[in-house]
Amino acid sequence: GQNIDQPTEMTATEGAIVQINCTYQTSGFNGLFWYQQHAGEAPTFLSYNVLDGLEEKGRFSSFLSRSKGYSYLLLKELQMKDSASYLCAVSNYTGGGNKLTFGTGTQLKVEL
Amino acid sequence: GAGVSQSPSNKVTEKGKDVELRCDPISGHTALYWYRQRLGQGLEFLIYFQGNSAPDKSGLPSDRFSAERTGESVSTLTIQRTQQEDSAVYLCASSLVPRQGRNSPLHFGNGTRLTVT
Repeated sequence: GQNIDQPTEMTATEGAIVQINCTYQTSGFNGLFWYQQHAGEAPTFLSYNVLDGLEEKGRFSSFLSRSKGYSYLLLKELQMKDSASYLCAVSNYTGGGNKLTFGTGTQLKVEL
Repeated sequence: GAGVSQSPSNKVTEKGKDVELRCDPISGHTALYWYRQRLGQGLEFLIYFQGNSAPDKSGLPSDRFSAERTGESVSTLTIQRTQQEDSAVYLCASSLVPRQGRNSPLHFGNGTRLTVT
């Protein structure tokens, strides 16, 4: 099976930087995704890492270390609209099938 | 182009009735996923289709749940004899075909909110 852990809640200040961590245990690893989900809405794709290192996309960056089973999502210049749940999802590829398992999400609250 | 479309957006049903939820994926997306999300909780994997076949049905909670996909397009999730614990948002997502070492992001529909009374 797969085990994905991320903090339940985080609070940060507008304009600041926040790092959301995710640790996982899986076999057949085929990449890690980060999604953003606002309350009552569908998740939207933020980033994807399959190799070690940092992927940068504007205010959002994501890092992966496969040997440590660890990823983080870095959000810079926080805005109020960044208040949402951030979901870490691990892709597991097993002979013809691809399964994406989500963590329970980190609820981020951005305050003034 | 159109995104993933799910219908109905809301469904209220009485305990014991059967319900059918529909998902129209993005055209050309051969991979299709169903997830369930209970209020305030994370996404629970239900089933995954590659084309019309389902390599992984391990997430279906019970034999009351079934899903099918035809024409590598539309998928339906059927819940028989609904129970109150089935109340949740059912999310469908589609993607291009994933490969070992190369993946494709899932695009989600807005979900069907199911309430069993």
